[in-house]
Amino acid sequence: KQEVTQIPAALSVPEGENLVLNCSFTDSAIYNLQWFRQDPGKGLTSLLLIQSSQREQTSGRLNASLDKSSGRSTLYIAASQPGDSATYLCAVLEKSSGDKLTFGTGTRLAVRP
Amino acid sequence: DGGITQSPKYLFRKEGQNVTLSCEQNLNHDAMYWYRQDPGQGLRLIYYSQIVNDFQKGDIAEGYSVSREKKESFPLTVTSAQKNPTAFYLCASSGPRGVYEQYFGPGTRLTVT
Repeated sequence: KQEVTQIPAALSVPEGENLVLNCSFTDSAIYNLQWFRQDPGKGLTSLLLIQSSQREQTSGRLNASLDKSSGRSTLYIAASQPGDSATYLCAVLEKSSGDKLTFGTGTRLAVRP
Repeated sequence: DGGITQSPKYLFRKEGQNVTLSCEQNLNHDAMYWYRQDPGQGLRLIYYSQIVNDFQKGDIAEGYSVSREKKESFPLTVTSAQKNPTAFYLCASSGPRGVYEQYFGPGTRLTVT
């Protein structure tokens, strides 16, 4: 059974720092990996999607990488801002499960002004 | 604007009552999903549907029911058989085929007393 782990569970950084969030998964037979952002009491916003054949995706200050063989993905946030404060979730879509995503429990990020 | 709507945002019910949560999408996606989110537990899949008039149980389907009579709509009924119904419920859809990126609605917070 696929398991997705996110480390750290919580992170507090001063504004302007570059930071890395980690995601690991146990079964490398994935179709894609998706990073989401969730603000308190809100739904999930898709940030980046990496197909299994890709190594990375970039959107603005965000860069996500995927190493399928080692079961790892990282989300890099450059020049962090207080508005980046949220919970970040990663999820993998397995080839064997149809369209179902397996989620990690998230990293709660606080960016201090 | 394309997207997913969920209503209501907050819902309060007495124990023993069934309640139906609404989810509508205008993204022309075939697949739709219902997740439950509890503090510290991440998202868990309740039901999903890959096509109209067809749906499958997810990891925690007991005490829930769904229907998929229209492509745009995937309502979730929380029945009195669900032992711990108080939670945040999220609806999602995915597309297009070959990409399978999931998009989420704003969520419904259900409180049962």
